[in-house]
Amino acid sequence: AQSVTQLGSHVSVSEGALVLLRCNYSSSVPPYLFWYVQYPNQGLQLLLKYTTGATLVKGINGFEAEFKKSETSFHLTKPSAHMSDAAEYFCAVSDRGKDKIIFGKGTRLHILP
Amino acid sequence: KAGVTQTPRYLIKTRGQQVTLSCSPISGHRSVSWYQQTPGQGLQFLFEYFSETQRNKGNFPGRFSGRQFSNSRSEMNVSTLELGDSALYLCASSLGPFEVRETQYFGPGTRLLVL
Repeated sequence: AQSVTQLGSHVSVSEGALVLLRCNYSSSVPPYLFWYVQYPNQGLQLLLKYTTGATLVKGINGFEAEFKKSETSFHLTKPSAHMSDAAEYFCAVSDRGKDKIIFGKGTRLHILP
Repeated sequence: KAGVTQTPRYLIKTRGQQVTLSCSPISGHRSVSWYQQTPGQGLQFLFEYFSETQRNKGNFPGRFSGRQFSNSRSEMNVSTLELGDSALYLCASSLGPFEVRETQYFGPGTRLLVL
């Protein structure tokens, strides 16, 4: 069965520091993987997605994620945090052949000045 | 191009009532999916409509239903409301059905409070 685990419901980083948000998944088949961001009082916005091919995926706003099959991980990174990155981030998985998507519980990112 | 719009943005109902939420997708998008977001359960998939047909359904009771019109606008209905139905209901649209994994664009949501 599909599942997603996001380590840390809250993560704080200083402005300019590396952002690392962790996501591990379980899937019986090669999955599709997604990262979404949600700003207060808004819907979700897709940051990036992995479907096939290159395992390092670049997204919007300077974010990227690497699909590591051996570790069943899809961690999200950004080299230098900006105040505007403060938001909630969701990792999601969708099995090939199943038209449903499972979201993690989310990680709220706090940026310290 | 206008984004996904959802109406109303906020709603207060009492237990036992029913509610209808509306979602207008981005022009040209034919797929609409609905999600429920709560602090306890997180984001959960409700159902997906494509070309007026329900293609997928999440693990929700039959009190949750939806439909899609020929102009791709979608409504979801919750009957016999329970306190636990209090949530942010998000709608997302995409060009094609979910199976092709096209980017979904989310609306701002309807926040439902059941008293």
